[in-house]
Amino acid sequence: NAGVTQTPKFRVLKTGQSMTLLCAQDMNHEYMYWYRQDPGMGLRLIHYSVGEGTTAKGEVPDGYNVSRLKKQNFLLGLESAAPSQTSVYFCASSQLPGQGVGELFFGEGSRLTVL
Amino acid sequence: GNSVTQMEGPVTLSEEAFLTINCTYTATGYPSLFWYVQYPGEGLQLLLKATKADDKGSNKGFEATYRKETTSFHLEKGSVQVSDSAVYFCALSDQDTGGFKTIFGAGTRLFVKA
Repeated sequence: NAGVTQTPKFRVLKTGQSMTLLCAQDMNHEYMYWYRQDPGMGLRLIHYSVGEGTTAKGEVPDGYNVSRLKKQNFLLGLESAAPSQTSVYFCASSQLPGQGVGELFFGEGSRLTVL
Repeated sequence: GNSVTQMEGPVTLSEEAFLTINCTYTATGYPSLFWYVQYPGEGLQLLLKATKADDKGSNKGFEATYRKETTSFHLEKGSVQVSDSAVYFCALSDQDTGGFKTIFGAGTRLFVKA
């Protein structure tokens, strides 16, 4: 059972470079999310999606873009990486209201370092 | 808006000690409450949940009771093991027009010594 899979697991970028993180889930969940985790700050929501073709901003969206072209995939892009984007990024998914109560299923994380 | 506050860590205990990690929340609606656990190098995974007032969630010897009168969801375990060393996150999830919105506490790191 794969669940939520993130690629790549690790990446080092130079300031100004771009990259895309890929998240794939095989649980047929409608909702998908991108969080970043920084020491002492818990998890903060970057962007989320409530279904294929939809995206919305979370708490800390600046400097990131997302796309949900297929239901099972949710991509997080950094167009011009900055050192402040050094973090661990987690993708998560959840069921629709009525099918669940908001339990999140997480990937293993992607550690990004921007030099 | 909604918020979650949990006790700062790290918490260091000896094996078989009693564990309490405090969590309080602020919410305008009727959220579901969760404890997630993150083992080293891994993503978060659900430890337990409670969906309404007075519900008790339990799993792997951990338990927490949804207390609406004190807006709390404290995590407890009677006898911790070295394998319980991890970071624990309290979270609430509420539903609005945009789907579920989950708010996390800052996390509490637990070290258990043999």
